[in-house]
Amino acid sequence: GAVVSQHPSWVICKSGTSVKIECRSLDFQATTMFWYRQFPKQSLMLMATSNEGSKATYEQGVEKDKFLINHASLTLSTLTVTSAHPEDSSFYICSAREDGHEQYFGPGTRLTVT
Amino acid sequence: DQQVKQNSPSLSVQEGRISILNCDYTNSMFDYFLWYKKYPAEGPTFLISISSIKDKNEDGRFTVFLNKSAKHLSLHIVPSQPGDSAVYFCAASEHDYKLSFGAGTTVTVRA
Repeated sequence: GAVVSQHPSWVICKSGTSVKIECRSLDFQATTMFWYRQFPKQSLMLMATSNEGSKATYEQGVEKDKFLINHASLTLSTLTVTSAHPEDSSFYICSAREDGHEQYFGPGTRLTVT
Repeated sequence: DQQVKQNSPSLSVQEGRISILNCDYTNSMFDYFLWYKKYPAEGPTFLISISSIKDKNEDGRFTVFLNKSAKHLSLHIVPSQPGDSAVYFCAASEHDYKLSFGAGTTVTVRA
């Protein structure tokens, strides 16, 4: 149980385009989902927290207009990187949790912006 | 501001011996601590956790120790196995909410 999936696992896009990453909880209802970003050999940095049906809460320094997060249902959250630039290339990881339970992480999405 | 610190970026240990990973934190409001294991290009997987009301938690080959006065926790893996080679992240949360992660320690288990 407690499986979180992400799609796509790897995406390459051109500079200036937008990319959407999906995060799904497959066997539980995720009241809260989190989006992280990891640079090579660095820690996971929390970008934002989203609760189903409400606006995401962004961490300091994260541009909410650039990283659009939608948590439309208890099993799906999406992260859209708008007008992507090469510096947005990174490994994006989502996690999901049901109230009172652990966070479970997705396998991550490697974004490369050319 | 890094509230969770793993000061050893790497650790090499011989198979069968003990691996000890260390983690320090600065936020005294943290009340729940976790260790995650991560392989390249994969998401972290949960290993073991400990609440601030305890000082030790054991699960098979993994034991986590918490020293609240020193704001320090450690993960012991014994005996170490080749499959343990991975990056280990220490994480902490306040009231079981969002996690703050350390920078990770890369463990290499030598045969």
